[in-house]
Amino acid sequence: AQKVTQAQTEISVVEKEDVTLDCVYETRDTTYYLFWYKQPPSGELVFLIRRNSFDEQNEISGRYSWNFQKSTSSFNFTITASQVVDSAVYFCALRLFGNEKLTFGTGTRLTIIP
Amino acid sequence: DSGVTQTPKHLITATGQRVTLRCSPRSGDLSVYWYQQSLDQGLQFLIQYYNGEERAKGNILERFSAQQFPDLHSELNLSSLELGDSALYFCASSGGTRAYNEQFFGPGTRLTVL
Repeated sequence: AQKVTQAQTEISVVEKEDVTLDCVYETRDTTYYLFWYKQPPSGELVFLIRRNSFDEQNEISGRYSWNFQKSTSSFNFTITASQVVDSAVYFCALRLFGNEKLTFGTGTRLTIIP
Repeated sequence: DSGVTQTPKHLITATGQRVTLRCSPRSGDLSVYWYQQSLDQGLQFLIQYYNGEERAKGNILERFSAQQFPDLHSELNLSSLELGDSALYFCASSGGTRAYNEQFFGPGTRLTVL
């Protein structure tokens, strides 16, 4: 069975600092998809990124970047120059090819201190 | 705004009661997913419908049922409610059954069972 581990329960950083959120996944499947979602205090889940298992290219989107490493089964998320609006709970999720469900990690609560 | 709508936003009811949660997917999306977010279980997949038919089942209790109507909206029915059913219930939709399709989440329905 698949599993997603987000070992960091809570992280606090001062505004403008960089912060990395860790995600480690487990699966025996060779084709799968990884996702990051953001849950701000308002409660909704906001899709951030999808990464396919056959594409290890890292991605950057503005202040956000993602580092996917199959060798260590990790899909880490870095926020550069953090802002107060980045305060949220961030979830990493895994979906197997041919399987409909998302398996979520337990989330990391990120607090950006002004 | 993801384009997925859920009603009601909040629901307070008593143990033993029955409630119905409603979800309208994004325009054109055929798949609807239901997830439960609770403090002790985290985010868990409940069930998925695709174009009116049940496609995948997760950790859904027998007291819970769902359906998807011809207009593609979906309802999640929760009966014989227990205190432990208090949670945030999310609906998500996607454009098909391809594993890499992103799921876009609605704002959720917060259920409180007293």
